[in-house]
Amino acid sequence: AQSVTQLGSHVSVSEGALVLLRCNYSSSVPPYLFWYVQYPNQGLQLLLKYTSAATLVKGINGFEAEFKKSETSFHLTKPSAHMSDAAEYFCAVRISYDKVIFGPGTSLSVIP
Amino acid sequence: EAGVAQSPRYKIIEKRQSVAFWCNPISGHATLYWYQQILGQGPKLLIQFQNNGVVDDSQLPKDRFSAERLKGVDSTLKIQPAKLEDSAVYLCASSPINLRREAGGYTFGSGTRLTVV
Repeated sequence: AQSVTQLGSHVSVSEGALVLLRCNYSSSVPPYLFWYVQYPNQGLQLLLKYTSAATLVKGINGFEAEFKKSETSFHLTKPSAHMSDAAEYFCAVRISYDKVIFGPGTSLSVIP
Repeated sequence: EAGVAQSPRYKIIEKRQSVAFWCNPISGHATLYWYQQILGQGPKLLIQFQNNGVVDDSQLPKDRFSAERLKGVDSTLKIQPAKLEDSAVYLCASSPINLRREAGGYTFGSGTRLTVV
């Protein structure tokens, strides 16, 4: 079955520390993978996407993610957390050419 | 370009009442999606339109939910009658016609937060 798992429903980091949000997937088609961010009371905003080009993908706000086929992973990282990064983060995987499914989300808190 | 517009932003209704949500996608986007996001969960697809036709409504509870996109532009999602478990954020998203290149690169609206009491 096609699925997305995100390890850790809540992650807390100190301001300036490394951010690592984990995502593992299963897909029956060549995977397109996405990270979305959702700020309180807002819709989802696309952070970055992997569509079979470079395995290291850079997104907005200093985030990047690396596609590792052998590990079926697409973890999101940022070298130095900022207070404004506090939000909900969703990993998503394409399950057909025009449809994706979303993971359960990880809530990121940044401690001053 | 203007984003995906949704209204209302918030709605509180009593169970068994009806409610409707409206979405206007980005101009020229042929595909429109309605998602349900229950608190603490990821968005779940309810229905997908391609122009004015339904592509996928397999996850739509058709006994109480309905949606239409009559002119292939804006769309409405209706719940009648509402249940307590329908409390969620209802998100609308749109994407361009070239789905192979843009798949997943959706633009989301801000959503409608529905509370059923």
